[in-house]
Amino acid sequence: GAVVSQHPSRVICKSGTSVKIECRSLDFQATTMFWYRQFPKQSLMLMATSNEGSKATYEQGVEKDKFLINHASLTLSTLTVTSAHPEDSSFYICSARDTPGRRTPQHFGDGTRLSIL
Amino acid sequence: AQKITQTQPGMFVQEKEAVTLDCTYDTSDQSYGLFWYKQPSSGEMIFLIYQGSYDEQNATEGRYSLNFQKARKSANLVISASQLGDSAMYFCAMRETGTYKYIFGTGTRLKVLA
Repeated sequence: GAVVSQHPSRVICKSGTSVKIECRSLDFQATTMFWYRQFPKQSLMLMATSNEGSKATYEQGVEKDKFLINHASLTLSTLTVTSAHPEDSSFYICSARDTPGRRTPQHFGDGTRLSIL
Repeated sequence: AQKITQTQPGMFVQEKEAVTLDCTYDTSDQSYGLFWYKQPSSGEMIFLIYQGSYDEQNATEGRYSLNFQKARKSANLVISASQLGDSAMYFCAMRETGTYKYIFGTGTRLKVLA
């Protein structure tokens, strides 16, 4: 089945650091990828839709300058948390669809646990 | 606006028994898709089952089945013969109209007891 790889799986860094998270579709091309954020014991909240070759579409309330998204190829989208602070600590997870069609589910990466000290 | 509601924050089930996880939704669209995902403690999201609004039969995938009641706007997940490995968070999701974005419910944490 379709595989989405997300890297790194865990990041611990100091406040003020910028952190880049990669999301790769390994065996399919993904023109659209999605980035979610999940706080402990809560649901997934969509942050943005990443579109290959164009600007990402951010959900209301998500800071574009804080969460930079780049989708430079059909298999790679990156999320950069700029100047991260402790409140940015969370679980970030990406997803992608491999084939068009209403029935096609999104395939998720394994997520990245980000801890800002 | 579309909305997904999961009213059971936590559920317990005895091993080998069946369990039903509730999901209700709200949409004004005639065509929509509903998905169930499993999230173990490790965090990955595992796709379980899909139900389309025009599907005439309830979806089934191995031990997973969906009790789809369109008039009541419910899409409950039924897990038969529960196993210890079924212990996880379960999320119901709806695909947003006109996009492929998902709207997730708040999830149900299932614990299977030995």
